[in-house]
Amino acid sequence: DTGVSQNPRHKITKRGQNVTFRCDPISEHNRLYWYRQTLGQGPEFLTYFQNEAQLEKSRLLSDRFSAERPKGSFSTLEIQRTEQGDSAMYLCASSVSGQGMGVDTEAFFGQGTRLTVV
Amino acid sequence: QKEVEQNSGPLSVPEGAIASLNCTYSDRVSQSFFWYRQYSGKSPELIMSIYSNGDKEDGRFTAQLNKASQYVSLLIRDSQPSDSATYLCAVLQGEGYQKVTFGTGTKLQVIP
Repeated sequence: DTGVSQNPRHKITKRGQNVTFRCDPISEHNRLYWYRQTLGQGPEFLTYFQNEAQLEKSRLLSDRFSAERPKGSFSTLEIQRTEQGDSAMYLCASSVSGQGMGVDTEAFFGQGTRLTVV
Repeated sequence: QKEVEQNSGPLSVPEGAIASLNCTYSDRVSQSFFWYRQYSGKSPELIMSIYSNGDKEDGRFTAQLNKASQYVSLLIRDSQPSDSATYLCAVLQGEGYQKVTFGTGTKLQVIP
């Protein structure tokens, strides 16, 4: 399978615990995105990487959230001291960075990690 | 003003009709536009991308882009019940490093 892979698919955790999610992008994709999605809403941008560099982090994201992509391949998203409001689907997507018209810049999604904080 | 705006719906159309989904965006320099389909409980699936003004057709789907009006739309011809899903508009935008920003999605219901 050469698509975007996310693990785990589901995570139930107690409030206050830390959780970590992993994303393996499509192998030739240099750009990797993390989004969060709650019921009835579109994916909300969290952060993204080009290779190993984190280019932007949403200002809506608290300091409890951190993401890494140490070797420019897989990425991890960690949430510290989870809160019930963190319950959501966490989506990872990857793409090739656009260099202009005609370049394939579509982002492809993994199956997501559904987090439930109890 | 939201960066990417869509009517949340639901948009209900009878089977066999044309469904028209609309999206506006705020960043005038955006160059790449995408439509994703998302079934309940699943992740978004790319169905169309468009980069130039005009129409782009793929099977029953046609994407339309008007950069002057900052408007992109998706037409689904011969709508089927299996097309019932939420359709997300996404735009590659931003200054310097660009990122893909999504609208909130339009829920489409195709009635048999």
